[in-house]
Amino acid sequence: EAGVAQSPRYKIIEKRQSVAFWCNPISGHATLYWYQQILGQGPKLLIQFQNNGVVDDSQLPKDRFSAERLKGVDSTLKIQPAKLEDSAVYLCASSSRTFTDTQYFGPGTRLTVL
Amino acid sequence: AQSVTQPDIHITVSEGASLELRCNYSYGATPYLFWYVQSPGQGLQLLLKYFSGDTLVQGIKGFEAEFKRSQSSFNLRKPSVHWSDAAEYFCAVDPSNTGNQFYFGTGTSLTVIP
Repeated sequence: EAGVAQSPRYKIIEKRQSVAFWCNPISGHATLYWYQQILGQGPKLLIQFQNNGVVDDSQLPKDRFSAERLKGVDSTLKIQPAKLEDSAVYLCASSSRTFTDTQYFGPGTRLTVL
Repeated sequence: AQSVTQPDIHITVSEGASLELRCNYSYGATPYLFWYVQSPGQGLQLLLKYFSGDTLVQGIKGFEAEFKRSQSSFNLRKPSVHWSDAAEYFCAVDPSNTGNQFYFGTGTSLTVIP
């Protein structure tokens, strides 16, 4: 069974530029999560999708971050415009249904904002 | 404020010694509780989880955790540590008990010395 795929693995941009990350969850998993992990901290949940609907995005900075999961499968997280403090690893995870089911994490995208 | 706390930033143990990693939470009700491991170059992996019932939970890789309501704690233990256990360990909680919220602690870095 293929795991959670993410791309790109690394990205370096200048502040005020835009960037997008892509995630393809495990086949059949209804729930998809995006996390931000700043160096030295635990992951912070940004947004949770159930199929193509948003379950929780209370910690997503909506003035600059957006995410979509149009067909209930893969997802894109966008930052526009990026700030220095957005430098982090962005993790995608998926599970069959909710947190009560095991979440499987992708390798992450390391973003550096200069 | 509601939170999940891992008091130990870094722990060093000898191979073969026992291990205990601490996790405390401050929520009104008992949240769902989880332990994850993040090894260098690898994604986050679920070790074990607690929802209700038996307060001693068995997980993968020989780990176990004990929920103590009176202490608001969910400490992770392993009787004999292997060099491959060197990693970052995260405690996480779902205070909503619905699978729709998720908060990680700041992590404990484990070093294993021969």
